[in-house]
Amino acid sequence: AAGVIQSPRHLIKEKRETATLKCYPIPRHDTVYWYQQGPGQDPQFLISFYEKMQSDKGSIPDRFSAQQFSDYHSELNMSSLELGDSALYFCASSLGYSGTQYFGPGTRLTVL
Amino acid sequence: KQEVTQIPAALSVPEGENLVLNCSFTDSAIYNLQWFRQDPGKGLTSLLLIQSSQREQTSGRLNASLDKSSGRSTLYIAASQPGDSATYLCAVEDFTGGGNKLTFGTGTQLKVEL
Repeated sequence: AAGVIQSPRHLIKEKRETATLKCYPIPRHDTVYWYQQGPGQDPQFLISFYEKMQSDKGSIPDRFSAQQFSDYHSELNMSSLELGDSALYFCASSLGYSGTQYFGPGTRLTVL
Repeated sequence: KQEVTQIPAALSVPEGENLVLNCSFTDSAIYNLQWFRQDPGKGLTSLLLIQSSQREQTSGRLNASLDKSSGRSTLYIAASQPGDSATYLCAVEDFTGGGNKLTFGTGTQLKVEL
């Protein structure tokens, strides 16, 4: 069965650079969620989209923005990167905003 | 604000033991509770999902129970094996702020020794 796809799987950036993470949900899933997991931390909810509209927002810095496109894939844009942004970023998708969330493999972002 | 706590934070057991991991949450208005496994530096593997209307779920050597009214869940692992060594995370899904999201616990780091 098709799963959530995230790209890239690994990304290395310098401080103050920008990064774009992509998430392709399971086919027919219309809801996407982004989570950030810092080293030794539990995953923290960042933001979610349902039918291309932002549905909820968590502890997402103002330097980050995200959107969901007409094909339901989502992109997380991160600007003015800081060392503390180094983390594993997970995307999850669900069918409907109350459906079970299925997680992608994550993108590991390292900021040097 | 939902808070999820897991006890113990770390656990080391000899192979073959049965063990119980605990999860508690502060707001009982949840849709479901999910247990995940995470190997070091890796992604999240969903183990069991219990809907709010259910009391337990079983998969192989794993059994998870949910007592929503008391805000507790337990994950029971029977006949533990070295391959079970990983961090186990519980997460509750609730509807706040306009959309569903998962709130994770801080995890139990399990080591099963030969």
